[in-house]
Amino acid sequence: GESVGLHLPTLSVQEGDNSIINCAYSNSASDYFIWYKQESGKGPQFIIDIRSNMDKRQGQRVTVLLNKTVKHLSLQIAATQPGDSAVYFCAERGDAGNMLTFGGGTRLMVKP
Amino acid sequence: DTEVTQTPKHLVMGMTNKKSLKCEQHMGHRAMYWYKQKAKKPPELMFVYSYEKLSINESVPSRFSPECPNSSLLNLHLHALQPEDSALYLCASSQRGAGNTIYFGEGSWLTVV
Repeated sequence: GESVGLHLPTLSVQEGDNSIINCAYSNSASDYFIWYKQESGKGPQFIIDIRSNMDKRQGQRVTVLLNKTVKHLSLQIAATQPGDSAVYFCAERGDAGNMLTFGGGTRLMVKP
Repeated sequence: DTEVTQTPKHLVMGMTNKKSLKCEQHMGHRAMYWYKQKAKKPPELMFVYSYEKLSINESVPSRFSPECPNSSLLNLHLHALQPEDSALYLCASSQRGAGNTIYFGEGSWLTVV
C-alpha cells in the first residue's frame, strides 16, 4: 500500500548547526503534510504543516519544504539546540478522510 | 502543552483484566482518534470517530473496544489483552475534515503481564 518513509533513521548534529530531516512519500493524492516532534516518553507534538499548493512554509526556526515532483518533504531546523533532540515524524493526510499516515521517524541527536 | 488529556499515564494489567483508557479534549474538535505506538515505531491508527460516530476501524482486534460518550470524551476499553498489546496508546483530535491538524495527547503507557 501507500507509505511515507524517511531516508535517515538517525541524524547527529552539532549544537548551533542547521539540521535537515528528509521524508519521501508515495501517495500522490495526499494534499496535506505535517511534521511532528516526539520527545522521549511524550506524545507527538505538532511542529509545522504544509498544504500541497505550497512549496515552502516557515515557522519559528523551522522551515518545511515540499517537492511534489519527486514526492519529497524536508524539515529544516535553524541553529539546532539540545532541546531539539527528539524523534521527528513526517505524516501525510489524504483528502479522502481523517487518516494520518506516519513515516518511520528520524532521531535527531544534538551534540553540545 | 497538549490540550488533549489522557488518563491514566501508566497502566499495568493482567491478561484477564478489564480496564479503560480515557481521553478528553475541550477544543471543540469533532474528530477523535486512537493510535497505538510501539517502541521506535511510528504511531499506527486504530480508530477514528467523527461526530461521535465510529468512522474508521483499522481491523483492530475486538479485545479493544472504543467508545465516544460525547464530543469531548473518548474511551478505549481493554479486555483479555495479550503481552504484545503492550504499547503507548495515543489519543488525538482534530477539526473535522481533511487538511486539519491532528493534536495528540501525551499517551497512556500500557503494560500487559
